[in-house]
Amino acid sequence: EAGVVQSPRYKIIEKKQPVAFWCNPISGHNTLYWYLQNLGQGPELLIRYENEEAVDDSQLPKDRFSAERLKGVDSTLKIQPAELGDSAVYLCASSFGTGGTDTQYFGPGTRLTVL
Amino acid sequence: QKEVEQNSGPLSVPEGAIASLNCTYSDRVSQSFFWYRQYSGKSPELIMSIYSNGDKEDGRFTAQLNKASQYVSLLIRDSQPSDSATYLCAVNKNNAGNMLTFGGGTRLMVKP
Repeated sequence: EAGVVQSPRYKIIEKKQPVAFWCNPISGHNTLYWYLQNLGQGPELLIRYENEEAVDDSQLPKDRFSAERLKGVDSTLKIQPAELGDSAVYLCASSFGTGGTDTQYFGPGTRLTVL
Repeated sequence: QKEVEQNSGPLSVPEGAIASLNCTYSDRVSQSFFWYRQYSGKSPELIMSIYSNGDKEDGRFTAQLNKASQYVSLLIRDSQPSDSATYLCAVNKNNAGNMLTFGGGTRLMVKP
């Protein structure tokens, strides 16, 4: 079974430029998560989707970040414009359901560097 | 106070020893607890989950949960150099969907 797929794996951009990350969850997983992980810290949830619906986006900086999950499968996370402080690893995860015991499986992440 | 706290380490143990990793959480309504292992430059990988007070064993790993003390730990027996990684504690409150709050992680170094 294929795991969570993310692309690109690495991205280097200059500040004020836009950037987008793509995630394909594990087949059949209805719940998709975007996390941000700074160096030396644990992942922090940005947004959670149940099918196409964003059910928790309270931690998403909406002035510059946006996300979508069309057709309840793939998802895209966008930053426009990027700032120096956005340099981090962006992780996508998926789970079969929304129960507290449903395991979240993480993708390899996209490492963003903003110059 | 952070919701989930871990000692950042590094925790250094000799090969073959028991590594003990600790985590405390602040919200008493938390119901599910997870330990993820993250190798440098890689994504987190689930190694243990625990939902009830007491111990849960899986191979060389034992998770321990004490809800009264708001404390969860991970023991790794017969530590191997390949266990060297950052171990992330994650807590799910369950009353708000499948939302994990992670600690900052403890870096474990197992020396041959």
